[in-house]
Amino acid sequence: GAGVSQSPSNKVTEKGKDVELRCDPISGHTALYWYRQSLGQGLEFLIYFQGNSAPDKSGLPSDRFSAERTGGSVSTLTIQRTQQEDSAVYLCASSLAPRSLQNGELFFGEGSRLTVL
Amino acid sequence: KQEVTQIPAALSVPEGENLVLNCSFTDSAIYNLQWFRQDPGKGLTSLLLIQSSQREQTSGRLNASLDKSSGRSTLYIAASQPGDSATYLCAVTWSTGNQFYFGTGTSLTVIP
Repeated sequence: GAGVSQSPSNKVTEKGKDVELRCDPISGHTALYWYRQSLGQGLEFLIYFQGNSAPDKSGLPSDRFSAERTGGSVSTLTIQRTQQEDSAVYLCASSLAPRSLQNGELFFGEGSRLTVL
Repeated sequence: KQEVTQIPAALSVPEGENLVLNCSFTDSAIYNLQWFRQDPGKGLTSLLLIQSSQREQTSGRLNASLDKSSGRSTLYIAASQPGDSATYLCAVTWSTGNQFYFGTGTSLTVIP
């Protein structure tokens, strides 16, 4: 696609429910990132996918968070048993080249705003 | 510890003024540094990417410089306009780890 696409743009859920957030990266981009931005806070790294390599899950805050990337393209971030502190904007980004090639301009989607009541 | 710092947190200038935004980072062994702008309720828009071998990049009224030895980057905005009002973030990637590390941003207001 022309840009990184995320859905839904807004999600309101009740505490304890599971949610799925979707990211469709720019066509041909091999690297995909998920970040979280809480109100008034900086961007918090969650997970990184690069091609067929094992994902870097070092930023996931708890085992309630998981993500997958099917066919090297679309990614889904799943939050199980949501808590109020999960409320944030979840941002997805993709880049053309692996970070280690000293390239890899990062392009972001518009984000998915999650509100847990 | 790898950290990115942006000072000031907020800046207000009259229209037409030239201005400089600052980004500091620990550890000079970076791969690249990228500047973004974020409008309220929106995602991040890429402005400029500087690779570690480069000293500066220019796009229109924007010029970003990189000084690895001092751990600093500056974003220069010439002839500021009200439409430049946004939060500006810098992000750095290092040789260790896979993530981009973000500063907390500078909120810029250009007053007409």
